[in-house]
Amino acid sequence: AQKVTQAQTEISVVEKEDVTLDCVYETRDTTYYLFWYKQPPSGELVFLIRRNSFDEQNEISGRYSWNFQKSTSSFNFTITASQVVDSAVYFCALRNFGNEKLTFGTGTRLTIIP
Amino acid sequence: AAGVIQSPRHLIKEKRETATLKCYPIPRHDTVYWYQQGPGQDPQFLISFYEKMQSDKGSIPDRFSAQQFSDYHSELNMSSLELGDSALYFCASSLRAGSYEQYFGPGTRLTVT
Repeated sequence: AQKVTQAQTEISVVEKEDVTLDCVYETRDTTYYLFWYKQPPSGELVFLIRRNSFDEQNEISGRYSWNFQKSTSSFNFTITASQVVDSAVYFCALRNFGNEKLTFGTGTRLTIIP
Repeated sequence: AAGVIQSPRHLIKEKRETATLKCYPIPRHDTVYWYQQGPGQDPQFLISFYEKMQSDKGSIPDRFSAQQFSDYHSELNMSSLELGDSALYFCASSLRAGSYEQYFGPGTRLTVT
């Protein structure tokens, strides 16, 4: 079985603050993939990043960074210098190797206050 | 870049009616996935197709069926609609031999009254 937990249901920060969204996952597989998706108020799901289970290197893309730690089964997402356009629901998701489906967490609603 | 196309974007049906949702994957993508997202919930996997064959199945009701056609587009058919079927239905596509990212369409919002 696989499970993704996003304990933070809602977060509000003032613009330009940094914010970290937590994601903890469970899987029995040794090969798996982790993802983050953004769902803005318009409703579409926007792919942000994929991480393979065998690659624990952290990644930075502009104001976004991701911290993958297999020892704690966590894949956290940090937005630096947040902007109002970052307001959205963010989903962490897991896919086991050989399976098709994405298992999503329940999402974290991020609100950036101007 | 071309994205996943879904039609219609909005659909209103009455209970017990049928609905057909269409999905056109990103060009050259050979795998299509369907997800259902209820209000305030996370997306739930329904079914997937690779090269026109069903490749995985999730919590899809027996009243729903889907298929992928020779041009790789897919249709989700929903019959005997119930109020609880009201949701946002996403189609996603990927290149099977590629990097496993699923790219989502804008969704079809189905309202059953």
